[in-house]
Amino acid sequence: ETGVTQSPTHLIKTRGQQVTLRCSSQSGHNTVSWYQQALGQGPQFIFQYYREEENGRGNFPPRFSGLQFPNYSSELNVNALELDDSALYLCASSPQGWRREAQYFGPGTRLLVL
Amino acid sequence: EDKVVQSPLSLVVHEGDTVTLNCSYEVTNFRSLLWYKQEKKAPTFLFMLTSSGIEKKSGRLSSILDKKELFSILNITATQTGDSAVYLCAVESNTGNQFYFGTGTSLTVIP
Repeated sequence: ETGVTQSPTHLIKTRGQQVTLRCSSQSGHNTVSWYQQALGQGPQFIFQYYREEENGRGNFPPRFSGLQFPNYSSELNVNALELDDSALYLCASSPQGWRREAQYFGPGTRLLVL
Repeated sequence: EDKVVQSPLSLVVHEGDTVTLNCSYEVTNFRSLLWYKQEKKAPTFLFMLTSSGIEKKSGRLSSILDKKELFSILNITATQTGDSAVYLCAVESNTGNQFYFGTGTSLTVIP
């Protein structure tokens, strides 16, 4: 069973650019959530995808968007990057079903916006 | 406003000590409470709690939830240097399938 993987591990962008981050969910997991973690803070929920549809969204502007693919992998896209977007972006996957299951996190992508 | 508050923010203890980490929450439509350990990057799952009063245990770690008073504690006995990490508490809400994280408790265990 493979765990959650994310790519790239690190990324440097400049203000105004666009970025795409990728996540492969753990085998057997059909739900993917994305989080932004600023230094010294807890993760902030961006959104969740279940069966290729957005299933929940936190307090993030529309320039944060996502996709989920038929194999349950996912992308996070951020347009018009701002300096405050510099953070660790974490992806977590879980199985969605009648039994509550925990989310398992990937190693994250560290984004620096200059 | 939904929120999760962890205390203390940081803690320094000696090996062998016992620590208690606290998590209180105000979240609409509570579904579950989770504890994670974060060392470098990925938070690693420790416990998921959904029912009050039932202790979950894994080795030297244990946790319990009080849904009436809206808090949870994480206990670590006989601490080791490998327990040094940030411990995160998260609450899942049925509303919008949202997760709310606290800012974490930074634990440092010194030999």
